[in-house]
Amino acid sequence: QKEVEQNSGPLSVPEGAIASLNCTYSDRGSQSFFWYRQYSGKSPELIMSIYSNGDKEDGRFTAQLNKASQYVSLLIRDSQPSDSATYLCAVNLFSGGYNKLIFGAGTRLAVHP
Amino acid sequence: GAGVSQSPRYKVAKRGRDVALRCDSISGHVTLYWYRQTLGQGSEVLTYSQSDAQRDKSGRPSGRFSAERPEKSVSTLKIQRTEQGDSAVYLCASSLDSPLGFSEQYFGPGTRLTVT
Repeated sequence: QKEVEQNSGPLSVPEGAIASLNCTYSDRGSQSFFWYRQYSGKSPELIMSIYSNGDKEDGRFTAQLNKASQYVSLLIRDSQPSDSATYLCAVNLFSGGYNKLIFGAGTRLAVHP
Repeated sequence: GAGVSQSPRYKVAKRGRDVALRCDSISGHVTLYWYRQTLGQGSEVLTYSQSDAQRDKSGRPSGRFSAERPEKSVSTLKIQRTEQGDSAVYLCASSLDSPLGFSEQYFGPGTRLTVT
């Protein structure tokens, strides 16, 4: 079982719709969870971080965390074509003596006009 | 303020040679992490380099990969005896926290390494 799992997609949504991206993780000890957006040929850009159970909203983005279910999600409201990118879920893992981010493979989102 | 920068942006190396990739962190950030990103395997962490006050501490070398901290805000990833499988994008991420913390990490633009 991979440490962080995401559906690779592509997830295709019409402009203006809600895009829902999901991620599960295996280490119950993880305490920090992040969503990064990566455009083709670019580096990952941090868009959301969440540390406690529940929802966290920032503009059109809402991150949801459920530690009991080991599940974290990202909702994008009023999706725009510019949101088309790969979304990486990252979870912290303490291993080998230091804290590191473990990434999922990413979900490719395509927002069509 | 200035973000994380990396150089060179592109590097071609002959198999078996050593390479060094540079990362300049965000001012005040303590830890620089190195990741390798490939299409097939996604992103994986390689090592880290930490510097606070006058201490320098780098993560255990991972085989042929090691990080050094020649200056407080600079980390160098060294790859020894490059292999064709090392062809990837190498990303540096800067964090305000120590490697024991859980702070957000901010990525540089990456260096695309091609081993021929």
